[in-house]
Amino acid sequence: NAGVTQTPKFRILKIGQSMTLQCTQDMNHNYMYWYRQDPGMGLKLIYYSVGAGITDKGEVPNGYNVSRSTTEDFPLRLELAAPSQTSVYFCASSYSGRNTGELFFGEGSRLTVL
Amino acid sequence: AQSVTQPDIHITVSEGASLELRCNYSYGATPYLFWYVQSPGQGLQLLLKYFSGDTLVQGIKGFEAEFKRSQSSFNLRKPSVHWSDAAEYFCAVGRHNAGNMLTFGGGTRLMVKP
Repeated sequence: NAGVTQTPKFRILKIGQSMTLQCTQDMNHNYMYWYRQDPGMGLKLIYYSVGAGITDKGEVPNGYNVSRSTTEDFPLRLELAAPSQTSVYFCASSYSGRNTGELFFGEGSRLTVL
Repeated sequence: AQSVTQPDIHITVSEGASLELRCNYSYGATPYLFWYVQSPGQGLQLLLKYFSGDTLVQGIKGFEAEFKRSQSSFNLRKPSVHWSDAAEYFCAVGRHNAGNMLTFGGGTRLMVKP
């Protein structure tokens, strides 16, 4: 049981390049999320999904896209990388039952855009 | 909109001393409240959560937190800090039936002196 797995762990991009951050979970969770973490700002929600085929914007979606074709996978796409997207990205998943609320996090992907 | 404030960005305590990390939230109804811990280079791990009932909740690693509705606070405490508690701590607020999406505070970095 690996939990939430993110790849890559580190990446350097040039301005204007595109890339996909991969996220997969093996806990059969319906809910999945992408957060970005910037120093002193906590975590900000980029996109989330409540099930396969269903995605929605979070607080800071501009410059990103997501898809959810399976329960397990929730990739995050950056189309035209900008320096403002330099951050640490966390994927998380959650059980969809009542009174849960616990998010399970991956170890993060550190992205630098130069 | 809900929000979370962690007034202390950095805290340093001596090993064996007691600890209190502050968290204030803004939310229109009874919130779901969480404390997460992030060790260096790792994802976030749930320490404890409050949904309803007893306002003093116990978590892992000897931590506890108290929900005070009148003060809109959910402070985290530990009676005796260990060097391994050095990490960043995040308070978060969530809504029931909202996809378990959480709003995080900016975090408090805890340093432990020997």
